Amino acid sequence: GENVEQHPSTLSVQEGDSAVIKCTYSDSASNYFPWYKQELGKGPQLIIDIRSNVGEKKDQRIAVTLNKTAKHFSLHITETQPEDSAVYFCAASQYVSGGGADGLTFGKGTHLIIQP
Amino acid sequence: GAVVSQHPSRVICKSGTSVKIECRSLDFQATTMFWYRQFPKQSLMLMATSNEGSKATYEQGVEKDKFLINHASLTLSTLTVTSAHPEDSSFYICSAREGGPGRDTEAFFGQGTRLTVV
Repeated sequence: GENVEQHPSTLSVQEGDSAVIKCTYSDSASNYFPWYKQELGKGPQLIIDIRSNVGEKKDQRIAVTLNKTAKHFSLHITETQPEDSAVYFCAASQYVSGGGADGLTFGKGTHLIIQP
Repeated sequence: GAVVSQHPSRVICKSGTSVKIECRSLDFQATTMFWYRQFPKQSLMLMATSNEGSKATYEQGVEKDKFLINHASLTLSTLTVTSAHPEDSSFYICSAREGGPGRDTEAFFGQGTRLTVV
């Protein structure tokens, strides 16, 4: 089965600086890589996702890059703000046209702390 | 965006009793729903996948007789924790996707249910 490794487990950055979280996956059949933000006591919220037919995707301050050969993908947050503080999870699964995403295998999470 | 609602958000039950958690897709028809479990400060672990009208597929190590999943309609799936024990205390989260020809989507998550067994 799929195995997703995520680093670091905790990341503290100064407000306004950039944050980078990295994940690797093991199953070459995986082709869908979403990132979630989870606040305490709440369900995960999708912030960005990428499919294996693209190498990079950007949405305002958030970007995700994918290296399918090396089986790793990264989340980049620029100009960090206090409200970015949360736990971030990467995940991997297979996405079938006409079916959607299969059940996700999650990384262990990164606690992002934005220092004012 | 698509909304998935879970109920209850918190529940406390006594050991040996059963508790039911509901997961509803409010503005779309969910052909597939997923149930996850999350222990404190840990990751989400997929428990099972359910397709409307058929039996759920459980992940390895998840007891199907203990965690009963019913997906009887396109907008509702339920997870029943039977004969609950304190070690079943956890955060249970569902997600749902629409799927179908030309309608493949990502899965949207509910807000989770905090189960405490005393």
